[in-house]
Amino acid sequence: KAGVTQTPRYLIKTRGQQVTLSCSPISGHRSVSWYQQTPGQGLQFLFEYFSETQRNKGNFPGRFSGRQFSNSRSEMNVSTLELGDSALYLCASSLGASPTGELFFGEGSRLTVL
Amino acid sequence: GEDVEQSLFLSVREGDSSVINCTYTDSSSTYLYWYKQEPGAGLQLLTYIFSNMDMKQDQRLTVLLNKKDKHLSLRIADTQTGDSAIYFCAESIGDGQNFVFGPGTRLSVLP
Repeated sequence: KAGVTQTPRYLIKTRGQQVTLSCSPISGHRSVSWYQQTPGQGLQFLFEYFSETQRNKGNFPGRFSGRQFSNSRSEMNVSTLELGDSALYLCASSLGASPTGELFFGEGSRLTVL
Repeated sequence: GEDVEQSLFLSVREGDSSVINCTYTDSSSTYLYWYKQEPGAGLQLLTYIFSNMDMKQDQRLTVLLNKKDKHLSLRIADTQTGDSAIYFCAESIGDGQNFVFGPGTRLSVLP
């Protein structure tokens, strides 16, 4: 069965722009989580969506937002980009019923902000 | 807040055992996990342990949990060059899929 698909894989933006990243979870998975990975801060939880509702949110400013569609696909948006937003953004999907550990990660979208 | 700590680097010789250590802070975590990340890839779940267990073995992997000291370790027996990667310890926080990850341990396997 197909894995978690993230698009685009690589993108370059300039400060002040906005970006939208997309994640298609594994078929049947209802939970989608987003993480930011940087060399300095490591993996940090952004938010989690389950059945189109944001269920958990990490400590990121309001410039970071997301949504989930009825087919469980998710998008995250970052507005007014800053240099520090350069990172690998990872999406993970799971059945979402309980934290049993089965998070399946995509390969990530690498964002560079110039 | 919740925090997970790991040493950042580990080098071992091929064929030796590797032990990667982790400490965590949230005593209410139900599950603790080990993920592996190879270059240019996302994270892959290696194994997880339920908090009421002390040990879990899965082929070359052994997970030890000391709940009193909030210490988790991953032992890889007969380490191979293909095991070279970054290993993340993680704990689940609260409901849902909110995981706190450690900084990752970069394992280098020398021939």
